[in-house]
Amino acid sequence: GAGVSQSPSNKVTEKGKDVELRCDPISGHTALYWYRQSLGQGLEFLIYFQGNSAPDKSGLPSDRFSAERTGGSVSTLTIQRTQQEDSAVYLCASSVTGENTEAFFGQGTRLTVV
Amino acid sequence: SQQGEEDPQALSIQEGENATMNCSYKTSINNLQWYRQNSGRGLVHLILIRSNEREKHSGRLRVTLDTSKKSSSLLITASRAADTASYFCATSIIKRYSSASKIIFGSGTRLSIRP
Repeated sequence: GAGVSQSPSNKVTEKGKDVELRCDPISGHTALYWYRQSLGQGLEFLIYFQGNSAPDKSGLPSDRFSAERTGGSVSTLTIQRTQQEDSAVYLCASSVTGENTEAFFGQGTRLTVV
Repeated sequence: SQQGEEDPQALSIQEGENATMNCSYKTSINNLQWYRQNSGRGLVHLILIRSNEREKHSGRLRVTLDTSKKSSSLLITASRAADTASYFCATSIIKRYSSASKIIFGSGTRLSIRP
């Protein structure tokens, strides 16, 4: 596609439910990143993928969070048993492989846990 | 913890003035990038400066990098109302034996341009 696509744009869920957030990166981009941003705050690194593998999962806040990437393309971030503190905008970005490359961002998914 | 910290957290200036934002980081990097964010959604890449570069220009943007001080600055000259946004620095760290870079963002500077 022309850019990084994230779905849904907005998600309201009840506390305790599971949610899946999807990221469709730019075609050919092997690196994919997930970030979380609370209102008025910076971007909190969650995880990144090189191809289908995740060299660094250190940013995942708890074991309720998991992410996978299949076929070197689409990635899904899953949050189980959502809590109110999970409410934030979840941003996905992709880039080509290499040392000095820029990241291209999607418009994010705004998650609200009620 | 975040790798980069921006200073100031918020900046309000008159249209036409120059805006300077600073970023400090903690570990060795491959490059440092600046991004802009409008309305709390997707970020747009502005400029990338490599670790062996000291200064870079792009239009009204000027970025400096001092690796000895682990700091960078972003200067926007002749500011316009449309420059109102949040600006983030991001450091790229490539792990040994990996071809992928981990990109870590700072906390951002909220820039407001008064007409």
